[in-house]
Amino acid sequence: DAGVTQSPTHLIKTRGQQVTLRCSPKSGHDTVSWYQQALGQGPQFIFQYYEEEERQRGNFPDRFSGHQFPNYSSELNVNALLLGDSALYLCASIPFLGGYGYTFGSGTRLTVV
Amino acid sequence: AQKVTQAQTEISVVEKEDVTLDCVYETRDTTYYLFWYKQPPSGELVFLIRRNSFDEQNEISGRYSWNFQKSTSSFNFTITASQVVDSAVYFCPGGSQGNLIFGKGTKLSVKP
Repeated sequence: DAGVTQSPTHLIKTRGQQVTLRCSPKSGHDTVSWYQQALGQGPQFIFQYYEEEERQRGNFPDRFSGHQFPNYSSELNVNALLLGDSALYLCASIPFLGGYGYTFGSGTRLTVV
Repeated sequence: AQKVTQAQTEISVVEKEDVTLDCVYETRDTTYYLFWYKQPPSGELVFLIRRNSFDEQNEISGRYSWNFQKSTSSFNFTITASQVVDSAVYFCPGGSQGNLIFGKGTKLSVKP
């Protein structure tokens, strides 16, 4: 049974560019959350998707947007990249909205130069 | 607002020593969940335990044990007879509204 799958594993982008990160949740999970983890810090909640809608959002600017597809997979989009967006982006899935049975993926390491 | 404090930034022990990682979760919510996750260099967060705010029973799982005291908002994690494979960054996030609040983590280094 596959866990949470994220792609790509590593990515290098230039300031001002746009990036899309992808996440496939664990089988049986229908809710996806995204977290940003800067070097040496704990993960910070970006947003959560359920039934293809954003249900909760953390303290992140509108440059961060997302999408969830009918098969529960999700994308995280970041526009107008800044150097400070360099981080590990973690996707987590849970069995249902409001639940806490989180399964995390291995993350996408984004470097902005 | 919720806040997680892991006062120990880094801990270094020698293999077979016992080590306790401290965690304090501050919130005004009466119902919440607390977790411990392990993050090896590969980056994936590995789930260790989940505890709800109404359950103050200590738990032991092999070499791992957890002590939750709601009165002090502490949820401490002890590794008995540490091993080199325990080396990682440990996080104790908490949450009450569907998302998790993380602290900065504690980096544990176990030397042979």
